[in-house]
Amino acid sequence: GENVEQHPSTLSVQEGDSAVIKCTYSDSASNYFPWYKQELGKGPQLIIDIRSNVGEKKDQRIAVTLNKTAKHFSLHITETQPEDSAVYFCAAESSNTGKLIFGQGTTLQVKP
Amino acid sequence: DAGVTQSPTHLIKTRGQQVTLRCSPKSGHDTVSWYQQALGQGPQFIFQYYEEEERQRGNFPDRFSGHQFPNYSSELNVNALLLGDSALYLCASSPPVEDEQYFGPGTRLTVT
Repeated sequence: GENVEQHPSTLSVQEGDSAVIKCTYSDSASNYFPWYKQELGKGPQLIIDIRSNVGEKKDQRIAVTLNKTAKHFSLHITETQPEDSAVYFCAAESSNTGKLIFGQGTTLQVKP
Repeated sequence: DAGVTQSPTHLIKTRGQQVTLRCSPKSGHDTVSWYQQALGQGPQFIFQYYEEEERQRGNFPDRFSGHQFPNYSSELNVNALLLGDSALYLCASSPPVEDEQYFGPGTRLTVT
């Protein structure tokens, strides 16, 4: 069935370092891959997304890469800041179903 | 412009009771999806509503039902509550013909 695996489950970096979170999906029909940031007591916030016809997308300090052949996609955060500390979720959506399948989440801690 | 809003914020119910949760989408959005997020887990897709019809459904029992109104707002109903239904219930809305889903802050349901 549809599944998204996310690694690592926890990640601790020093302020200014880079952070990378990786996800693997199983459904080859998936064509939309959003990333969400969830802070304590809040709903997930869409931070960046990528579609299957694009290999890489960048927005200031965050970037996402997609390898459709390997069914891998990754989130890269550069020059991390303490306010980047949160739980990050990757997700995949099958073609036009509107159904997002989420990974298990990565707790990112940025130490000042 | 208000984002996705949900009510109530918190709710405590007893096993066997019924509950109704409410969601108002972002202005201009016409599709509403509901997710259940257990503690420490990623959100799980319950169902999606478009044009007042259930368009997609996840692996949830018939105790979970919903409705979408002509103004695009939506309700999630859960009957015969179980202890395992305790979770954060998230609503997400999408603009016409787009994949992006924007989440509300959620309703924390506790079943005792």
